[in-house]
This record gives sequence, C-alpha cells and structure tokens, in this order.
Amino acid sequence: NAGVTQTPKFQVLKTGQSMTLQCAQDMNHNSMYWYRQDPGMGLRLIYYSASEGTTDKGEVPNGYNVSRLNKREFSLRLESAAPSQTSVYFCASSRGLEGYTFGSGTRLTVV
Amino acid sequence: AQSVTQPDIHITVSEGASLELRCNYSYGATPYLFWYVQSPGQGLQLLLKYFSGDTLVQGIKGFEAEFKRSQSSFNLRKPSVHWSDAAEYFCAVGDTGGFKTIFGAGTRLFVKA
Repeated sequence: NAGVTQTPKFQVLKTGQSMTLQCAQDMNHNSMYWYRQDPGMGLRLIYYSASEGTTDKGEVPNGYNVSRLNKREFSLRLESAAPSQTSVYFCASSRGLEGYTFGSGTRLTVV
Repeated sequence: AQSVTQPDIHITVSEGASLELRCNYSYGATPYLFWYVQSPGQGLQLLLKYFSGDTLVQGIKGFEAEFKRSQSSFNLRKPSVHWSDAAEYFCAVGDTGGFKTIFGAGTRLFVKA
C-alpha cells in the first residue's frame, strides 16, 4: 500500500521558472493538503482540498496554485519561483478527523 | 485563531530514561489535538490523537499524551526512550472541520547512549 506519493523528491529551479509538484494517494481519502516546512517554523498550510472539486487557501497561499485533478491527485504549481519558496513541501491526505497521512516530501531549492 | 507552542526546540535524554515533550495550544472550542513524529528525510507520521473522552490517550511506539484543559496543554510522554526515538516531534491542533490543522515548530529529540 503506497499511501501518499510525491514527485519529484528533489528539484532545483532558477528564479522565475515554473514547476508542478505532484501528489497522489491511494487510500480513498476525501481531503488533501499541501504544506511547506521551513526550519524553526513547523509546517504551514499552503492550500487544501476538502473534497474532490474544491480547493481553499491556507495560511501561506501567495505564489502558489493548486489543482485537485480527481479524488486521488492534488498538484501544487509554482508559476514563477522565488528564492523565498525554497523549502520542503509535503502533501498529506485525510479522512475526516482521523489525522493526516503524509508523503515523504519534495525538497525544492530556488536559486 | 488557533495556535500551538512547543517551548523546547530540542531535548536530550539518555536511553532508557523517561521523556516528556511539552505542547501548549490556543483554541476557542474543544480542540482536536495530535502528535506527529518525523524521522530525518521523511514525512510526518501520526503518533496519537485526542478528540474527546479520556484525557490520557495511547499511541503507537509506546507513546502517550495527556490533555489538560485547565493548562491548555497536551504533553507527550514515554516511560523509557529507545535510541530509535531520536526524531523531531510536532504537536498540532485541528479545527472542527479538520481542514486547517496548525502545527507547532517542533521539538528535536536527541537520545544519548
């Protein structure tokens, strides 16, 4: 059982480049999330999707867009990457209030 | 607005010693509380959760946590730490919808032989 799968695991971008982080879950969870993790700041919510067809902003949405492609997949797009977006990005999924299942993360560096 | 504070950035304990990691939260209603663990280079794994009922909750890997409403705390404990417990631990509080979980900054646990 794969759980939550994120691709890629590592990425280096130049300032101004765009990219899409992919996330897929195979647990039939309704809700999916994108967080970023920065040293000393814990995890901060970027966007979430409560159910298929809906998306909402979290705490730090600026500079990002998301797409809930279907129940399994939730992608995060950086249209014009900035050095401030250097971070580790985690996708997670959940069913109700059971707690989150996280992917293993994408380490993104913007130079 | 909800918030979570983990007062200790890092803690060092000897293998076999007991452990307590502190967590204080701020939330207007009955909180939904969680502890997660993150090993280096990995995602977070759910250790335990509290929604209601018994204020002492048991989790995986021998961890437990106690909810104290009067102190707005949800401290994580383990009676005897193993070297494999070295990791970063995150306390989190969720809203009633479950969609906007807020995480603390984390406490890194070091275990010495």
